[in-house]
Amino acid sequence: LAKTTQPISMDSYEGQEVNITCSHNNIATNDYITWYQQFPSQGPRFIIQGYKTKVTNEVASLFIPADRKSSTLSLPRVSLSDTAVYYCLVGDLGFGNEKLTFGTGTRLTIIP
Amino acid sequence: EAQVTQNPRYLITVTGKKLTVTCSQNMNHEYMSWYRQDPGLGLRQIYYSMNVEVTDKGDVPEGYKVSRKEKRNFPLILESPSPNQTSLYFCASSRLAGVNEQFFGPGTRLTVL
Repeated sequence: LAKTTQPISMDSYEGQEVNITCSHNNIATNDYITWYQQFPSQGPRFIIQGYKTKVTNEVASLFIPADRKSSTLSLPRVSLSDTAVYYCLVGDLGFGNEKLTFGTGTRLTIIP
Repeated sequence: EAQVTQNPRYLITVTGKKLTVTCSQNMNHEYMSWYRQDPGLGLRQIYYSMNVEVTDKGDVPEGYKVSRKEKRNFPLILESPSPNQTSLYFCASSRLAGVNEQFFGPGTRLTVL
């Protein structure tokens, strides 16, 4: 996996849009960017994956600039239930990256 | 329903008493792995398996063993548990290795006295 750097923690108010940035300067050509969400005492849950430009699903959007050295997970109009730890992983889809490292992620706290 | 199951969900044991935590998936996934999660240390991979009879060490394999005799099962074995193995354990599976979507089990909270 490519080494990633993301903020340790973030706070936001309910109803705001939250953007969490992940830096991955040594991303390889075949690498994809994947984000997981983890609630306390639960296993992480896949939320979104992308390769370039923008990906959107019912939970979040993922913005990836042209150089792909960073990416931004965007959560629209957050609620208290979005309080969780968010992990960014960068790697290819099964061609050599057997070991996975989640790291400590970004702890997002939503304030009422 | 597609899922990863782990048993037991909670376990309190004593130092040196061998234990096994079972993990099973019903999605015919090739890749399975075990993680432990400790406060401030994030999610760390213990062992992973690319397929039946193919296993390898993750970042923190000391004190653990695994086996993959069937595609669906991937048990975690602690031959002689110690208090520093007190942790929250997660099993996960995915169709292939890499950053393919991983499906996590509900977790096993282990306390070693």
